[in-house]
Amino acid sequence: DTAVSQTPKYLVTQMGNDKSIKCEQNLGHDTMYWYKQDSKKFLKIMFSYNNKELIINETVPNRFSPKSPDKAHLNLHINSLELGDSAVYFCASSPSRAGGLRETQYFGPGTRLLVL
Amino acid sequence: KQEVTQIPAALSVPEGENLVLNCSFTDSAIYNLQWFRQDPGKGLTSLLLIQSSQREQTSGRLNASLDKSSGRSTLYIAASQPGDSATYLCAATGNTGKLIFGQGTTLQVKP
Repeated sequence: DTAVSQTPKYLVTQMGNDKSIKCEQNLGHDTMYWYKQDSKKFLKIMFSYNNKELIINETVPNRFSPKSPDKAHLNLHINSLELGDSAVYFCASSPSRAGGLRETQYFGPGTRLLVL
Repeated sequence: KQEVTQIPAALSVPEGENLVLNCSFTDSAIYNLQWFRQDPGKGLTSLLLIQSSQREQTSGRLNASLDKSSGRSTLYIAASQPGDSATYLCAATGNTGKLIFGQGTTLQVKP
């Protein structure tokens, strides 16, 4: 009965490849997020979707493309992977787009991406 | 631009000690301040959320305070236990709902 799940947990790939990370939440939340945690442990938001609508889009290379087929899923596709993309990617969700304002966010276990 | 800093980066204490983790933020125009716990190989778990109008929040052995004017928050852990060993992250929330995280304090509580 995992609340926010991500697949895969680990991803090792070569530079230039295209890969996807999937996220699903079974909490009935309306809003989902993607965060990147770099080697120095800084956690930064990348995207946020509310009911399949993009509401936050940070300064992220356009090689990164989120896709939300429904409000329970938010996938992250990365084209032409680069060494600097190596990081841990976290998915999160909140009941509404007030996530962060009046309510907290619920995080998945993370996907550890290593680009060789 | 909001910047969040956590000191110390790492902390090791014997079991039973009371301890304080510090978080500072540069822009006092925050909506709230949140504390999270991150265990190795796992995601973040929310511990406490302090709204900007509040001064502190308590949950069990945890107490978080907020002083917006000085740009500081502290997380107080009473009677620490080995199970408290983890990385603790604070995050300042702006009015758009975006969380700006600090780098975290990695705590080790020795039996």
